[in-house]
Amino acid sequence: GENVGLHLPTLSVQEGDNSIINCAYSNSASDYFIWYKQESGKGPQFIIDIRSNMDKRQGQRVTVLLNKTVKHLSLQIAATQPGDSAVYFCAENMRGSARQLTFGSGTQLTVLP
Amino acid sequence: NAGVTQTPKFRILKIGQSMTLQCTQDMNHNYMYWYRQDPGMGLKLIYYSVGAGITDKGEVPNGYNVSRSTTEDFPLRLELAAPSQTSVYFCASSPRPGRTSNQPQHFGDGTRLSIL
Repeated sequence: GENVGLHLPTLSVQEGDNSIINCAYSNSASDYFIWYKQESGKGPQFIIDIRSNMDKRQGQRVTVLLNKTVKHLSLQIAATQPGDSAVYFCAENMRGSARQLTFGSGTQLTVLP
Repeated sequence: NAGVTQTPKFRILKIGQSMTLQCTQDMNHNYMYWYRQDPGMGLKLIYYSVGAGITDKGEVPNGYNVSRSTTEDFPLRLELAAPSQTSVYFCASSPRPGRTSNQPQHFGDGTRLSIL
């Protein structure tokens, strides 16, 4: 099947710096994308989402960018904090698929003091 | 609201045993899902339901069964446990999407299952 993949399996950033986590998707029929954060021993926690009719969406300290031309999704975290250390997953939903999500394999973000 | 609640949190089974993983949500969501997550991997969809009485297979349904008799509950059944089913299982729910809106899935904290 189609894959949602991540460019980097691990990312280390200094506290206070900005983080950018990337995701490539290959299903051009996907119309909804979500970023989840997963802390150790916990379930995925919703961070931010974006529909395919948008190319940017901002939340509190987070921004998601969608480039449909190259099928690329990124999550930007401003002023990264120790509490941001976690695994981040992107997920895509294909139009008409009863909201089934296809997940990437995740990126481990480590915030260094 | 408690959100999505999964029980048990941990379980060890012997090969060939059966068990039911419980999932309940108090958000009146129509859609519910079961995923498994193997170490270092993303989540794979096992089964999903778009409403009471309606279930359908996901990407990896073999070895599992589900039922949806109420809006709140969506149990996952393993009939003959196999070592390949050692994993962390997550239940999720979401509202029915609108015609022009989307709703993210909300997850429980998982059941960690080992088959020995």
